Amino acid sequence: EPEVTQTPSHQVTQMGQEVILRCVPISNHLYFYWYRQILGQKVEFLVSFYNNEISEKSEIFDDQFSVERPDGSNFTLKIRSTKLEDSAMYFCASRTPRAEQYFGPGTRLTVT
Amino acid sequence: SQQGEEDPQALSIQEGENATMNCSYKTSINNLQWYRQNSGRGLVHLILIRSNEREKHSGRLRVTLDTSKKSSSLLITASRAADTASYFCATDLIYNQGGKLIFGQGTELSVKP
Repeated sequence: EPEVTQTPSHQVTQMGQEVILRCVPISNHLYFYWYRQILGQKVEFLVSFYNNEISEKSEIFDDQFSVERPDGSNFTLKIRSTKLEDSAMYFCASRTPRAEQYFGPGTRLTVT
Repeated sequence: SQQGEEDPQALSIQEGENATMNCSYKTSINNLQWYRQNSGRGLVHLILIRSNEREKHSGRLRVTLDTSKKSSSLLITASRAADTASYFCATDLIYNQGGKLIFGQGTELSVKP
């Protein structure tokens, strides 16, 4: 059964560094999402992406964040200059035509 | 208060018992989805129920939706130790074009062997 994959599983970076989190959504899905979950907190929406553009973004998704679908299969989240408070689990998701969202296993980002 | 609040926050039962978790929400929805998360792991999609549906089943899972009360429940029958996890409801709001999900805080279920 197809699934959403994410790499890396764990990323450690220093404050101020750029990170790119990668996702491969399920191939025939059209909507893609990034969410994050700070340890012990609820899952929060960051951004949705459809037809090669952002369809919605949250207040969290400021100018430090960007998303891209560079080659028709990968879907990336870039954080330009990481802060300590960016430490979280980042989940990619893609949506079936029936609106079910399937999540990847997540990337644990640790900013030191 | 928030969209998508689960109760109880924590539930501890014996293997073989049924577990019921509830979710309430504030704003009208297109659909509501339930997820399971094992500690520190990814979110596993369990079931989606649409606003025009009242009940859905999947294996040992039964989900109900009452749009007049803006609430949903997830019932796990004949629970197993492997069902130990956090369970979240997530709502797709009716005016939301992009399908973003709003998650609740979750219910931590512990099933003792």
